[in-house]
Amino acid sequence: GDSVTQMEGPVTLSEEAFLTINCTYTATGYPSLFWYVQYPGEGLQLLLKATKADDKGSNKGFEATYRKETTSFHLEKGSVQVSDSAVYFCALRDKIIFGKGTRLHILP
Amino acid sequence: DVKVTQSSRYLVKRTGEKVFLECVQDMDHENMFWYRQDPGLGLRLIYFSYDVKMKEKGDIPEGYSVSREKKERFSLILESASTNQTSMYLCASSPGSSTNEKLFFGSGTQLSVL
Repeated sequence: GDSVTQMEGPVTLSEEAFLTINCTYTATGYPSLFWYVQYPGEGLQLLLKATKADDKGSNKGFEATYRKETTSFHLEKGSVQVSDSAVYFCALRDKIIFGKGTRLHILP
Repeated sequence: DVKVTQSSRYLVKRTGEKVFLECVQDMDHENMFWYRQDPGLGLRLIYFSYDVKMKEKGDIPEGYSVSREKKERFSLILESASTNQTSMYLCASSPGSSTNEKLFFGSGTQLSVL
């Protein structure tokens, strides 16, 4: 069946470090892919999305490219901030499947 | 902005109680969803609804039921609460059936069953 696998957390980085959170998926067809972010005490909110192969989603300095050949949608940011500390979820939309989430801690 | 409101932020119930979790959205969305969020397990879909009075089982429906009598309201019911239902419950909605649409989430209800 369809599934999403993302890297285990927590991930701890220093401010201004480069971030990559890996996400791979298994699905029939070509589902839309999403990254959601959950800040402490809040529900999830959409960070970015891509709807077809080679699309790049971007928002707030984060980027992710829909790679059909590697079935991946890795999240990247060139220089993280303390305010980026949150839990990040990769998701595919056909059957509304989420990864297990990756908790990110940014140290000042 | 779309607002998805969950009636309680924290709830404490006893084993065997019948529990109602309420969710209301204010943007006339067709689709509504209930998830539970547990450490190390991420979000798991309990039930969803694509229309009034319509419901579909998600991945983990056992021990739960839902009600959608009006378009804006989607209730999750724990018929007889058990300790393994202690969790964070998240409600979400989306406008229609397109797979490109994002989900809008409520802030969650942290349920503790003692």
